[in-house]
Amino acid sequence: QSVLTQPPSASGTPGQWLTISCSGGNSNIGTNSVHWYQHLPGTAPKLLIYRNNQRPSGVPDRFSGSKSGTSASLAISGLQSEDEADYYCATWDNSLSGWVFGGGTKVTVL
Amino acid sequence: EVQLVESGGGLVKPGESLRLSCTTSGLPFINAWMSWVRQGPGKGLEWIGRFKGKNDGGTLDYAAPLKDRFTILRDNSKTTLYLQMNSLKTEDTAVYYCAAGVGSSDFDYWGQGTLVTVSS
Repeated sequence: QSVLTQPPSASGTPGQWLTISCSGGNSNIGTNSVHWYQHLPGTAPKLLIYRNNQRPSGVPDRFSGSKSGTSASLAISGLQSEDEADYYCATWDNSLSGWVFGGGTKVTVL
Repeated sequence: EVQLVESGGGLVKPGESLRLSCTTSGLPFINAWMSWVRQGPGKGLEWIGRFKGKNDGGTLDYAAPLKDRFTILRDNSKTTLYLQMNSLKTEDTAVYYCAAGVGSSDFDYWGQGTLVTVSS
């Protein structure tokens, strides 16, 4: 059972807008930045969004992040086939004194 | 180009020990915050621990459930991170990733992982 809650799956057709939620609590998302990672099985995970809404260089601007209270969201606008992957949110938890990850959301492009 | 390459995984029996290595290049290793993260079969990512960079004190933090059995070490001269795992259990079976934080998050760059299987 992950400290951060994500939907296990999400899907959409090419070109669609897709959002993935990440729900936590006051000791984690409520007080710390949220980061998002993209992971294709068998490959190295990749930083997608850092500090809630910042994109590293090279990440397409159709990926965006937001945070409000104890929840965060990752949005993908203009879904593409190469976006099929697992997506994880992560943040520091002050109560646990450690990093916590969401359970991951598997995105399928129909 | 930043590269992180894990090695040392394999099949071990319960109760045995194993040391993983993460060889890095292309990043300011001495000041990078280096972490280990694992992913069990069919599970999500689980943080193991981190070693802060020299400028930030070079201190260690561990996930509470693992701190008695797992130890993170670093050799700045070899730009290599290690994970010493003792008293391994079947539930430690996972792909183990190392990750480097150089300013954006604790996990700006990741390796491709090394598989550890604990089975009798």
